[in-house]
Amino acid sequence: KQEVTQIPAALSVPEGENLVLNCSFTDSAIYNLQWFRQDPGKGLTSLLLIQSSQREQTSGRLNASLDKSSGRSTLYIAASQPGDSATYLCAAMDSSYKLIFGSGTRLLVRP
Amino acid sequence: SQTIHQWPATLVQPVGSPLSLECTVEGTSNPNLYWYRQAAGRGLQLLFYSVGIGQISSEVPQNLSASRPQDRQFILSSKKLLLSDSGFYLCAWSASPEFSPQHFGDGTRLSIL
Repeated sequence: KQEVTQIPAALSVPEGENLVLNCSFTDSAIYNLQWFRQDPGKGLTSLLLIQSSQREQTSGRLNASLDKSSGRSTLYIAASQPGDSATYLCAAMDSSYKLIFGSGTRLLVRP
Repeated sequence: SQTIHQWPATLVQPVGSPLSLECTVEGTSNPNLYWYRQAAGRGLQLLFYSVGIGQISSEVPQNLSASRPQDRQFILSSKKLLLSDSGFYLCAWSASPEFSPQHFGDGTRLSIL
């Protein structure tokens, strides 16, 4: 059974810092790995999707990497801004086409 | 462009009452549709998914049910709500599970009294 873990659970950084959020999954048989952002009381916003055959995806200041063999993905945020404050969720799509979510990393970027 | 709508945004219901949450998608056809529940302090739990009209797969045994009466409409229902049904319910869609990201609605906050 696929399990997804995100570390750390919470992170506080000053504005301008580069940061890395970590995601690990137990079963390497995944179709893709997705990163989402969730603001308080809101739904999820899709950030990046990495296919199982890919190593990384980039969108603006965000870069996500995928290492299937080690069961790890990272989300790199460059030059963080207060508007980046949110909960970041990763999810692995398992062999049954179901997304298995981690519990998220709550990010606070201090001005 | 595609949009997804969920309503209501918040709902307070007594134990034992019925439930109906609606989700609609615009700007696409034959979407894959999903219902999730997010309990406080926990991750998202997939409740139901649908690949087409009338095709519903249930992931978690419970007193909830889902229906897809039209291509872009997904409804979550219950005949009698339990206290444990409280949570944040999210609807999502994707064009292709393998190649497309899931796009989420704004959610419904359900409180059972």
